[in-house]
Formats: sequence, C-alpha cells, structure tokens
Amino acid sequence: AQSVTQLGSHVSVSEGALVLLRCNYSSSVPPYLFWYVQYPNQGLQLLLKYTTGATLVKGINGFEAEFKKSETSFHLTKPSAHMSDAAEYFCAVSARSTNAGKSTFGDGTTLTVKP
Amino acid sequence: DAMVIQNPRYQVTQFGKPVTLSCSQTLNHNVMYWYQQKSSQAPKLLFHYYDKDFNNEADTPDNFQSRRPNTSFCFLDIRSPGLGDAAMYLCATSRSPGTGDQPQHFGDGTRLSIL
Repeated sequence: AQSVTQLGSHVSVSEGALVLLRCNYSSSVPPYLFWYVQYPNQGLQLLLKYTTGATLVKGINGFEAEFKKSETSFHLTKPSAHMSDAAEYFCAVSARSTNAGKSTFGDGTTLTVKP
Repeated sequence: DAMVIQNPRYQVTQFGKPVTLSCSQTLNHNVMYWYQQKSSQAPKLLFHYYDKDFNNEADTPDNFQSRRPNTSFCFLDIRSPGLGDAAMYLCATSRSPGTGDQPQHFGDGTRLSIL
C-alpha cells in the first residue's frame, strides 16, 4: 500500500518569492505521482505528473516538480509566486499496478501569497 | 471542450431527506469516481465504477449509493442524509489502461448542506 505525506498544511510566501511545497511518499515500488491544485469552490485540476523518464517534470502555470527516488520525494516548486497561485495543493500517488487508477491523496497544503 | 459537469453546484436538503447528485462527462472515460471532501481535508474516495463494475470503499457508509446507467452519467444517492454528510462532493473520471498512470479529471463539485 502506498501513502503520501505533505509537510506543512499552510505555506505563506510573498509575491515573487520561490514556492516550495513538499511531498514525500511511501511505496514498495516507485509509484506514479501527481500534483493537483484546487481553487475555492472548484474541483481539482492536474498541475503535473511523473510516470517514467525525466525526473524533472514541468507543469502548467510555471510549476515543476522533481522525482527523487533516494529521498522518496516529489516536491513542487515555482520560481516566482503570483497572487493567482493562492490555492490548495494536493500531492497524490497511484500504484503502478492497479485496475482503476485509484490515487491516494495527501492532506493538502494551503498556499497563501502575500502582496 | 470535453469536461466533467456536476449538477447542481449547491444543494440544500433536510435531515433524513434523500438527495441525488449527478455527474456527466464528455471525455468518454471508462472510470468514474465519487469523492467526499470536507473543509480543508483531502478528498475521500467513496466508490468508483470501472465501466459497469461498481467498487465500494470499505469504509463508505451504506447510506451512500451510486448508479451509472451509461458511460456518460453517474449518480450519487444519499438515502438519509445526516448532519455529518454536509460536504463538497466531487466527481472525477479517468481513462484507465490498467497501470495507474492516468490522471483524474474533476468536476467543480456539489456543495451539500443539511438543514
């Protein structure tokens, strides 16, 4: 069984500052990894995913994440925060062998961007 | 645009009065999911359909039922809503090749209130 831990339920940065949202996973084999963003009163939207190949993955809205097997991590970064990045971010893992693509979600990190 | 649509966006019902939430998709995905999300928490999977096969999560209360009459539509029925069932209900879809690397596509949710 896999699990995911997001370190820090709340992260606050200034506009223009680096965004770093942490995600660590636990799995017997490297899983598939996803980051989703959720704006107020909306569903989750995929930011990026890692399946195989290049460990640095680029997503939408300038976000990227790096898969580090040795650290079992998949941290999300963005060089320069924008006010519109304020939202809830969820890391999710999915086993490499599953019949229906079930994902396990982390508890989420609320990102606040200060002007 | 292909999408996942949930109706209604806001639903108010009375304690104990049955309620049905609906979800439709134009993505032609074979997997559909229902999640319950309470404030500042991760989405909690209630059940999912892989084509017509219904898969219930072990801890989903019997009060929650689902129907999928065809590929495009899926319904969540709450037979006797209690105050603890007030939440955002999210529908999601995925195309599942059976290996878990497909992301989920979410609707904007239905926020259910219980009077």
